[in-house]
Amino acid sequence: DGGITQSPKYLFRKEGQNVTLSCEQNLNHDAMYWYRQDPGQGLRLIYYSQIVNDFQKGDIAEGYSVSREKKESFPLTVTSAQKNPTAFYLCASSMVGVGLSSYEQYFGPGTRLTVT
Amino acid sequence: AQSVTQLDSQVPVFEEAPVELRCNYSSSVSVYLFWYVQYPNQGLQLLLKYLSGSTLVESINGFEAEFNKSQTSFHLRKPSVHISDTAEYFCAVLILTGGGNKLTFGTGTQLKVEL
Repeated sequence: DGGITQSPKYLFRKEGQNVTLSCEQNLNHDAMYWYRQDPGQGLRLIYYSQIVNDFQKGDIAEGYSVSREKKESFPLTVTSAQKNPTAFYLCASSMVGVGLSSYEQYFGPGTRLTVT
Repeated sequence: AQSVTQLDSQVPVFEEAPVELRCNYSSSVSVYLFWYVQYPNQGLQLLLKYLSGSTLVESINGFEAEFNKSQTSFHLRKPSVHISDTAEYFCAVLILTGGGNKLTFGTGTQLKVEL
């Protein structure tokens, strides 16, 4: 089955530690995205990438970093500089440059990060 | 700048009653609109989308939404809801940029269907 996997589903860390969230897709999509979800605030874009070895900051990139070494993988690191890291993190992917089909984003199941 | 407004944070409704979840957007360019549904502790699933063509779009589970350009709205409706429709619903508008297609989401509407 094609889809997006995020692991783990729940993640707990102590304040001051960096943590990396995994996102893998086998949809052969070129573009991948990371969103953060907080209650009552909807989803906000952290980073996105249209092609391997290239990525752009979204609306709330401060305190986060990403890499895109493989087409299938787009890991997100939540650094100790992120002031409020506890949230639900969602990864998504989409095609690129094939007309209207590229406008649809497919989402993974999410990782709930709790930092204490 | 593009934005999405979902005025209702929660909508309680009895089973088999009709429901409307409101979504208004602001955009100065071509509009592509989406409704996503999220069940507890899960990712988002695409419910329906307006990209072009007919302004009335439908999902396979009975939801429909109508793109109204003059009112800048994309309200989601269902004539008769079921308990299983209880979830959070997000409206989103797509922004086309040279570096990628970005979705801007509303703050979500929690639909709670009661017996």
